[in-house]
Amino acid sequence: QSVLTQPPSVSAAPGQKVTISCSGSSSNIENNYVSWYQQFPGTAPKLLIYDNNKRPSGIPDRFSGSKSGTSATLGITGLQTGDEADYYCGTWDSSLSAVIFGGGTKLTVL
Amino acid sequence: QVQLLESGPGLVKPSETLSLTCTVSGGSISSYYWNWIRQAPGKGLEWIGFIYYSGSTDCNPSLKSRATLSVDTSKNQFSLRLRSVTAADTAMYYCASMYFWGGSSHMDVWGQGTTVTVSS
Repeated sequence: QSVLTQPPSVSAAPGQKVTISCSGSSSNIENNYVSWYQQFPGTAPKLLIYDNNKRPSGIPDRFSGSKSGTSATLGITGLQTGDEADYYCGTWDSSLSAVIFGGGTKLTVL
Repeated sequence: QVQLLESGPGLVKPSETLSLTCTVSGGSISSYYWNWIRQAPGKGLEWIGFIYYSGSTDCNPSLKSRATLSVDTSKNQFSLRLRSVTAADTAMYYCASMYFWGGSSHMDVWGQGTTVTVSS
């Protein structure tokens, strides 16, 4: 059972937009920055979004992040079949004194 | 650009100690926080712990009693030792660099991962 809650799966058609939610609490998301990671099967995770809404160099602006209160959201517009992957949110939990991740969301582009 | 490479035995016997090393290239280990994360087959990411170049560490409370992190700045390496392993410790183990400041804790560079199987 992850401290951060994500939907197990989401799906949308190519070209459409999808959002992935990440729900936490005051000890993690509300008072710390959220990051998002993309992981393709058999490969290491890749940083997609950091500090709630910043994109590392090379990440297209189709990917966006936002945070409100104890929840964060990853948005992907102009979906491509190449976006099919697992997506994880992560943050610091001040009560646990630990890095925590969501359980992951599998994105399917139909 | 910093690159990370994990190394260590792929097979460990139950009750023994898992030992992994991450080699940092293309940059100095004397910055950032250096992490171990694992992923059991078909499961999500689990943070194991981090170490700063100064030697200060923090670990997942669920693993703190079994995990030891160390750093060798002369070799630009950091290591993980996990004692008394069981089949539940079978996973892909990743090392990663993390920016950790002011509430921010994002892992920007990851190693390719190394598979560890616990079996007799």
